[in-house]
Amino acid sequence: QVQLQESGPGLVKPSETLSLTCTVSGGSITSSYWAWLRQPPGKGLEWIAYIYYSGTTNYMPSLKSRVTISLDTSKNQFSLKMSSVTAADTAVYYCARLNGATTVTFPYHYFDLWGRGTLVTVS
Amino acid sequence: DIVMTQSPLSLPVTPGESASISCRSSQSLLRSNGYNYLDWYLQKPGQSPQVLIYLGSIRASGVPDRFSGSGSGTDFTLKISRVEAEDVGVYYCMQLEQAPRTFGQGTKVEIK
Repeated sequence: QVQLQESGPGLVKPSETLSLTCTVSGGSITSSYWAWLRQPPGKGLEWIAYIYYSGTTNYMPSLKSRVTISLDTSKNQFSLKMSSVTAADTAVYYCARLNGATTVTFPYHYFDLWGRGTLVTVS
Repeated sequence: DIVMTQSPLSLPVTPGESASISCRSSQSLLRSNGYNYLDWYLQKPGQSPQVLIYLGSIRASGVPDRFSGSGSGTDFTLKISRVEAEDVGVYYCMQLEQAPRTFGQGTKVEIK
């Protein structure tokens, strides 16, 4: 079955750029939407961005100026870059798939598959 | 952004009994197609979140029928009938009626 795995540095210095990659295995990245979310320690979930295999992207407005999501179909991976990080960006970062609901005739996508998450500490 | 407010934030439950979690949105999540753009997720201890309910009341594939979602507009409820030990974790509601998608603070369900 399809699995997602995040990878990247666990420690990033303040003001530097956080870079994470999500590898999709067991299925093709050329379908569905792919997303990044995060969860600061002891806190709730926050959606960051998503990308469609066609290249369409959407970002959380409060992070848009610092975030870039991209996709590499040749490697079946998608990535997140976040610039000018601060301690407030310390979180577990999850990659996830947004899958289309098949029980309705209109477009509706929910997070149906998640990676295990990777802790990124800014310090 | 639409603000999602869950209550209670902590919910001790007895196995076999039912439990309900409330989720309120700052704006209506009901669209003209008659559906509410709201999901429920469960994050079990040490795990990634998993979807339970989408479009307010439709159970995702593989989700036990003891989980049910109801409500419309701005008031929603997730009910767990006959709570089992494996149901512990943090439950989140999330709206997708308006960008950006936003989550509630989470409700921690634990066994008494």
